[in-house]
Amino acid sequence: GNSVTQMEGPVTLSEEAFLTINCTYTATGYPSLFWYVQYPGEGLQLLLKATKADDKGSNKGFEATYRKETTSFHLEKGSVQVSDSAVYFCALSGNAGNMLTFGGGTRLMVKP
Amino acid sequence: DAGVTQSPTHLIKTRGQQVTLRCSPKSGHDTVSWYQQALGQGPQFIFQYYEEEERQRGNFPDRFSGHQFPNYSSELNVNALLLGDSALYLCASSSTGTSRTGELFFGEGSRLTVL
Repeated sequence: GNSVTQMEGPVTLSEEAFLTINCTYTATGYPSLFWYVQYPGEGLQLLLKATKADDKGSNKGFEATYRKETTSFHLEKGSVQVSDSAVYFCALSGNAGNMLTFGGGTRLMVKP
Repeated sequence: DAGVTQSPTHLIKTRGQQVTLRCSPKSGHDTVSWYQQALGQGPQFIFQYYEEEERQRGNFPDRFSGHQFPNYSSELNVNALLLGDSALYLCASSSTGTSRTGELFFGEGSRLTVL
């Protein structure tokens, strides 16, 4: 079946540092890939997505590239801010459509 | 435009009891999915409702059941509660137009504690 593996946290960075959160997946066919973010006390929000190989999703300075050859979708940001502190979830949607399979989440803490 | 709304936000039950959680989807959305998020883990898919029928189901026992109403709102019912059912229950909505891309809109969740 489908599965998503992402690096365990917490990840602690200083403001303006470079961020990478690794995500790899196992899936049949051609899944769509997502990063969702969960800020404290809030529901999950879609951060970015990519629907086919080599697509790059981007939003709010975050980027991730759909790499089919390495089955990866790593999240990156060049300069993090304190307001980026949250839990980040990598997820995939398989050919069957809108059922999402999530990774375990990575907590990011950014210190001023 | 109201997003996905869930109720109640918090509730406490004892083992063996039954619970009903409610969800109103985002305006214009016709599909509702339910996820269980245990503390420190990623959400796990429970089931999805479309046109008042269960369309997909994850690996959850029959104690978990649901319903969708003609106005697209939905309920999640859990019978014979176990301690392990303690979790954040998330409702997510989507429309048939975005269903193939898997983009979901989530509510803030209902936090269930089973004692």
